Amino acid sequence: DTAVSQTPKYLVTQMGNDKSIKCEQNLGHDTMYWYKQDSKKFLKIMFSYNNKELIINETVPNRFSPKSPDKAHLNLHINSLELGDSAVYFCASSQYRNTEAFFGQGTRLTVV
Amino acid sequence: QQQVKQSPQSLIVQKGGISIINCAYENTAFDYFPWYQQFPGKGPALLIAIRPDVSEKKEGRFTISFNKSAKQFSLHIMDSQPGDSATYFCAASNAGGFKTIFGAGTRLFVKA
Repeated sequence: DTAVSQTPKYLVTQMGNDKSIKCEQNLGHDTMYWYKQDSKKFLKIMFSYNNKELIINETVPNRFSPKSPDKAHLNLHINSLELGDSAVYFCASSQYRNTEAFFGQGTRLTVV
Repeated sequence: QQQVKQSPQSLIVQKGGISIINCAYENTAFDYFPWYQQFPGKGPALLIAIRPDVSEKKEGRFTISFNKSAKQFSLHIMDSQPGDSATYFCAASNAGGFKTIFGAGTRLFVKA
């Protein structure tokens, strides 16, 4: 049983398109995150949610819109995709805000 | 002040040797210091973590050394094995926030 699952695993799309990435966790955690990992493997937080409420938006362009329909799900919608959006996006969750984060397997987004 | 500086960028170690990765931080409010291990195509996974009330934590072949006054911490991998070849990230977070700051990562290669 996968703890944090993301779909799709790979996403190839053209510039200007809109796409979504879905994330679900079955750990009963209250806090969920989106991270972006660039080509140099650098991991940067994008959003933090706690009990479905947005807590942190780390200066992410408003083309990125997260949505948390319930505590177990945190989806990421991206409008008007740009070449620079190409990266691996990781969803993660943690029981409390200062404890171990469990990561999904990542979504490799390629914008052409 | 929110940065976590990690070195080296890459590391090659002989099988059976000791791998050492160092990190430094500036924000004294950080109080949770995890190390994550990431294999290609996978999400990061927690390896070991420490809180600043202890100076060392050991789990099997993995040891974190923590120097609060110097604001530095390091990961030691004893008896390094080829299966340890991965990217290692140090990180830091604080109870007051909802984000974990990651170091830039160290690519470890253990030669058989």
